[in-house]
Amino acid sequence: RKEVEQDPGPFNVPEGATVAFNCTYSNSASQSFFWYRQDCRKEPKLLMSVYSSGNEDGRFTAQLNRASQYISLLIRDSKLSDSATYLCVVNTGRRALTFGSGTRLQVQP
Amino acid sequence: GAGVSQSPSNKVTEKGKDVELRCDPISGHTALYWYRQSLGQGLEFLIYFQGNSAPDKSGLPSDRFSAERTGGSVSTLTIQRTQQEDSAVYLCASSSIPSGVLTDTQYFGPGTRLTVL
Repeated sequence: RKEVEQDPGPFNVPEGATVAFNCTYSNSASQSFFWYRQDCRKEPKLLMSVYSSGNEDGRFTAQLNRASQYISLLIRDSKLSDSATYLCVVNTGRRALTFGSGTRLQVQP
Repeated sequence: GAGVSQSPSNKVTEKGKDVELRCDPISGHTALYWYRQSLGQGLEFLIYFQGNSAPDKSGLPSDRFSAERTGGSVSTLTIQRTQQEDSAVYLCASSSIPSGVLTDTQYFGPGTRLTVL
């Protein structure tokens, strides 16, 4: 079983739609959680950290459910520029982060 | 300021040849990471350097892979006797880890796209 699992998608949504991604992790001792964004043929960039209480950054909302060991990312009012691959990232206690394979989002006009 | 830089951006080599990939981290960042990403896959951790501590090599897939970090700054990832399955994008990241915080934001370089023919 992979340490971090994501639905690869693609999620094809129209502009303005709300879309949600989930991610599950296997190590219950995981301590830090993040969403990274990766554009095609580009390097990953931090989108947002995920806090236990849930957090929001503009149109993006991240939530953590430790009991069920999953993380979610909600994007409201999707823009064409949101098209990218979203990587769920977990700190499992090693110094390096563990990345999911990513969920691809395609926002269509 | 300058971000993480990597060179070369693309490398095509023949099976069996050795390659060296270079990473210049953000100035002052004490932690440096190497990952690789195969087509359509997530990032696979390779090796981690933190200050003067012994590197965490637990992700290196075989003894053909090695890495050095000289002077706590520039790092070189070397792949000996390359194989076709080594073809991937090799990404370097650096971070500044404050005391008491397990991880900090990792800033990635643009990567080196390695193709082994």
